[in-house]
Amino acid sequence: AQKITQTQPGMFVQEKEAVTLDCTYDTSDPSYGLFWYKQPSSGEMIFLIYQGSYDQQNATEGRYSLNFQKARKSANLVISASQLGDSAMYFCAMREPARAGGYNKLIFGAGTRLAVHP
Amino acid sequence: GAGVSQSPRYKVTKRGQDVALRCDPISGHVSLYWYRQALGQGPEFLTYFNYEAQQDKSGLPNDRFSAERPEGSISTLTIQRTEQRDSAMYRCASSLRLDRGGHTDTQYFGPGTRLTVL
Repeated sequence: AQKITQTQPGMFVQEKEAVTLDCTYDTSDPSYGLFWYKQPSSGEMIFLIYQGSYDQQNATEGRYSLNFQKARKSANLVISASQLGDSAMYFCAMREPARAGGYNKLIFGAGTRLAVHP
Repeated sequence: GAGVSQSPRYKVTKRGQDVALRCDPISGHVSLYWYRQALGQGPEFLTYFNYEAQQDKSGLPNDRFSAERPEGSISTLTIQRTEQRDSAMYRCASSLRLDRGGHTDTQYFGPGTRLTVL
């Protein structure tokens, strides 16, 4: 069974510093996708970044980058130059492989709460 | 453009009542997903549609839960004879379906409906 593990319930970082949020996954399928979402206190789920299992390079989106280590089955999110607005819950998710012509559900980890201090 | 919208944003109901939660996906998105998120946890998959066809309902907890998307756009999640354990945030997401995956498979979430069953 596929599984996502986020081992850090909470993280603290000083403003302007970088922070890494850990995510490990478990799947026997060669084709999968990994996502990170941000959930601020307002409750929205905001898409941040995507990494495909066949992508050769680590994904980057502005201050977000994904440290993808396929052999270790890890997909850590790196936030550079943290800002106060980055304080939120962060979820790692994996998309299950295609079935019958389409991709379907996401499996989420338990999340990591990040607090950015001034 | 407009994102995924859900209504109502908050719903308080008494045990035993039926509730209907509505989701309006991003225009042009053909895949629609329902998730449930308990407090302090990541979202859990309930069901998903491609156009009007319900492709996977493996996450629906029991037969009190049903969903439909009759015209391939707006979807309704119905919970009959609600119980206190049904209290949660119900989230809808949509994606621009692409069989081979990639960024167009990204699921964009709505603001959710917070359901409280008294």
